[in-house]
Amino acid sequence: GEDVEQSLFLSVREGDSSVINCTYTDSSSTYLYWYKQEPGAGLQLLTYIFSNMDMKQDQRLTVLLNKKDKHLSLRIADTQTGDSAIYFCAEKPGTYNTDKLIFGTGTRLQVFP
Amino acid sequence: EAGVAQSPRYKIIEKRQSVAFWCNPISGHATLYWYQQILGQGPKLLIQFQNNGVVDDSQLPKDRFSAERLKGVDSTLKIQPAKLEDSAVYLCASSLDPRSSYNSPLHFGNGTRLTVT
Repeated sequence: GEDVEQSLFLSVREGDSSVINCTYTDSSSTYLYWYKQEPGAGLQLLTYIFSNMDMKQDQRLTVLLNKKDKHLSLRIADTQTGDSAIYFCAEKPGTYNTDKLIFGTGTRLQVFP
Repeated sequence: EAGVAQSPRYKIIEKRQSVAFWCNPISGHATLYWYQQILGQGPKLLIQFQNNGVVDDSQLPKDRFSAERLKGVDSTLKIQPAKLEDSAVYLCASSLDPRSSYNSPLHFGNGTRLTVT
């Protein structure tokens, strides 16, 4: 089956690191994504990782993938108030003619000064 | 490049009325998606088009929802008649043809917020 789970809330102090976690169930997932959604806006693609990779770093963002445990995490270094938003984890099921994504419920990140 | 355009931004209707949403994808994107995002949840796929053909509409409530992409570019999503539980944000997304590019991320519009009273 296809299911993606995330914790609902995370609160961090400005300048600290944030770690948002996600678990998924489809072992055939090919790509896993992180999207950011600010109030009243659509989803903005932050980063993605191919399923045969363990880690991907992109400036302040680090994605870690544990394929054995089906666990994905997003680390934001030096978190800023502008990072306050809802973060969605999404998996792309292992079929090759579709880009359909299965989204988690989202983690609301609140950054306080 | 211009992003995915959607209209209207907001719509308030009474139950049993009909409503339509419009989406213009990124130029050159062959694949178009409609997602429904209920408050507090992640987006859920309603329908996926490849050019003007339907790839996946398994989650579309076909008794009341319909969608079309006649010329393989713009798309409309219609609800008739609306129910209270249809209150949500309707997101349109597009991507390059997945058959030509193994990873073609989805690009989302800002959505239409529908309130059914």
